[in-house]
Amino acid sequence: DIQMTQSPSTLSASVGDRVTITCRASQSISSWLAWYQQKAGKAPKLLIYKASSLESGVPSRFSGSGSGTEFTLTISSLQPDDFATYYCQQYNSVPLTFGGGTKVEIK
Amino acid sequence: EVQLVQSGAEVKKPGESLKISCKGSGYSFTSYWIGWVRQMPGKGLEWMGIIYPGDSDTRYSPSFQGQVTISADKSINTAYLQWSSLKASDTAMYYCARRAETTEYFDYWGQGTLVTVSS
Repeated sequence: DIQMTQSPSTLSASVGDRVTITCRASQSISSWLAWYQQKAGKAPKLLIYKASSLESGVPSRFSGSGSGTEFTLTISSLQPDDFATYYCQQYNSVPLTFGGGTKVEIK
Repeated sequence: EVQLVQSGAEVKKPGESLKISCKGSGYSFTSYWIGWVRQMPGKGLEWMGIIYPGDSDTRYSPSFQGQVTISADKSINTAYLQWSSLKASDTAMYYCARRAETTEYFDYWGQGTLVTVSS
């Protein structure tokens, strides 16, 4: 199985901050990576697919980059609605695997 | 509008059986894979398996193979996740999700079904 490691596990930030979350794969997954946002008590929501493609309707302050084994999700200017947990997911091979999550908290 | 609506929360005893459901609407149900994802309390997301309702082709994560059964009834646009003998460790939130066309990420998610197994 491909292991996905996210860092940090928790991030404290203020509204307006630029936030970066990292996801590393245990082997190359090309660009087959998605990012999801999950708010407390809610289902995950797709933000980014194929490492850098923005899902329709997702604000442009979210962006993704990377390929191979290292990926980043960046929020250019953190908004109150962005405080949530973020997960990466590789879909290069089955079983699909998720990172452990990064919780973005209010500083 | 694409929607996946899951069945309601369940409270069961160890050893009991259970089948939860996920009804799709707003798209061609038989043309998209439906996956199931587990989230244990306070934990991350785990991919359990996936089914293609068009022909019931099913794939399981090795971690869940033999522990659950995924099925679908295309006549009523519904996918299922079932257990024959629940354990306390099956306590979790279970999400169904639609796999995006021709690829493997999930573009639409159900609201989740909370399963609690306790004696």
